[in-house]
Amino acid sequence: SAVISQKPSRDICQRGTSLTIQCQVDSQVTMMFWYRQQPGQSLTLIATANQGSEATYESGFVIDKFPISRPNLTFSTLTVSNMSPEDSSIYLCSVFTAYEQYFGPGTRLTVT
Amino acid sequence: AQSVAQPEDQVNVAEGNPLTVKCTYSVSGNPYLFWYVQYPNRGLQFLLKYITGDNLVKGSYGFEAEFNKSQTSFHLKKPSALVSDSALYFCAVRVRSATDKLIFGTGTRLQVFP
Repeated sequence: SAVISQKPSRDICQRGTSLTIQCQVDSQVTMMFWYRQQPGQSLTLIATANQGSEATYESGFVIDKFPISRPNLTFSTLTVSNMSPEDSSIYLCSVFTAYEQYFGPGTRLTVT
Repeated sequence: AQSVAQPEDQVNVAEGNPLTVKCTYSVSGNPYLFWYVQYPNRGLQFLLKYITGDNLVKGSYGFEAEFNKSQTSFHLKKPSALVSDSALYFCAVRVRSATDKLIFGTGTRLQVFP
C-alpha cells in the first residue's frame, strides 16, 4: 500500500497568482499522477511525472500552466500558474503500486 | 479511443434493497478495472479491482462487481444497501500505455433512502 500526503489541504488565492502543491508518498514509486476534479465533476488526469524526466501532459494541459517537479521517488510538486477562477478545483496526487492506485486527500483550491 | 462510461448520473434505492451501479468500458487488450467511492468532503477511497481471474470480485463495505467481457461491463453491486452507502461512485480503467494512466468515468451519485 501507499500513504500519500498533500500540502496545503486547501487555499484561497487571487487570480493571477500561482500556487504550488506538494505531494509526499511513504514509499518509492516510479510514476506519480496529478488529477484535477472540478466542482461536481469526475477526475481528469493532468500529467504523469516520472523521476528524472519531463512530465507527460494530457491533452488540454500544458507545462507553462501546470509545471511539475519530481526531484526524487517519493515527492512531487504541481504548480498552478497565473490562476483564474476556472482553476478552482480539487487537485489530487496519485501513485500506482501493486496493481492498486492510491490517492492523496486532495488540495481544494478556490480562486477569487 | 479508450474510455469508461457510467450511464447513470444518479441511482436511487431504498435501504435494504439491492443496488447496482453500471459501468462499461472500451479498451484494447485486457482491462484493469477499478471502483472508487467519494464521500462528501473526503478523499477518494478504493473499493475493489479486477485484474484477472474470477469474474466476481469482492471488495470493501460489502460491495462486489462482476466483470463481463462479452458485454464489456463491470457493474458494481451490493445485496442490501445502507443509508451510509450514499456517496459518489467512480468506475475507472487502467489504460496500458507508456504512462499506464487511470481513466475515470463521469461518476454516479448513489442515494439510499431510509
